[in-house]
Amino acid sequence: DIQMTQSPSSLSASVGDRVIITCRASQNINSYVNWYQQKPGKAPKLLLYISSSLQSGVPSRFSGSGSGTDFTLTISSLQPEDFASYFCQQSHSIPFTFGGGTRVEIK
Amino acid sequence: EVQLVESGGGLVQPGGSLRLSCAASGFTFSSSWMHWVRQVPGKGLLWVSRINSDGTSISYAASVNGRFTISRDNAKNTMYLQMNSLRVEDTAVYFCARGGGVTSPLNYWGQGTLVTVSS
Repeated sequence: DIQMTQSPSSLSASVGDRVIITCRASQNINSYVNWYQQKPGKAPKLLLYISSSLQSGVPSRFSGSGSGTDFTLTISSLQPEDFASYFCQQSHSIPFTFGGGTRVEIK
Repeated sequence: EVQLVESGGGLVQPGGSLRLSCAASGFTFSSSWMHWVRQVPGKGLLWVSRINSDGTSISYAASVNGRFTISRDNAKNTMYLQMNSLRVEDTAVYFCARGGGVTSPLNYWGQGTLVTVSS
């Protein structure tokens, strides 16, 4: 199985901060990385797919990059509604696997 | 509007069985690959199973293979997860999600249904 190592596991940031979350795959997965946001008690929501494609309706302050084994999710200017958990996921091969998650908290 | 609604969760004893359902609306269900993903509350996400649009291609996570069975009824716009020989470690919220093709992301998710395996 492909392991997805996500970091940091948590971070504290202020509104307006730039936030970067990284994800490393245990083998080459081309660009088959997707990013999800999850708020407490809610289902995950797709933010980005194929590394850098923005899902319809997602604000442009979210961006993604990377290919091969190293990927990043960037929030350019953190907004109050962005305080949540974020997960990367590889869809290169079955079984799909997720990173351990990053909890973004208010500083 | 895309909607996925899970049902069938509850409390079951170890070794017991449960069948989850996922009712879909707002999109062409019969053309969509569908998935089950679970999450222990407060923990990470674990992909469980996937079924293609006509039910001819199915995959499972190793931890549930041989115990869980995914299926779908395109006439009813519904997907199922039959869970047998349940273990305490199967306790989680189970989400159904819509995918695209083989390498597509999970672009819509249901709200989840809680399965608790305990004596």
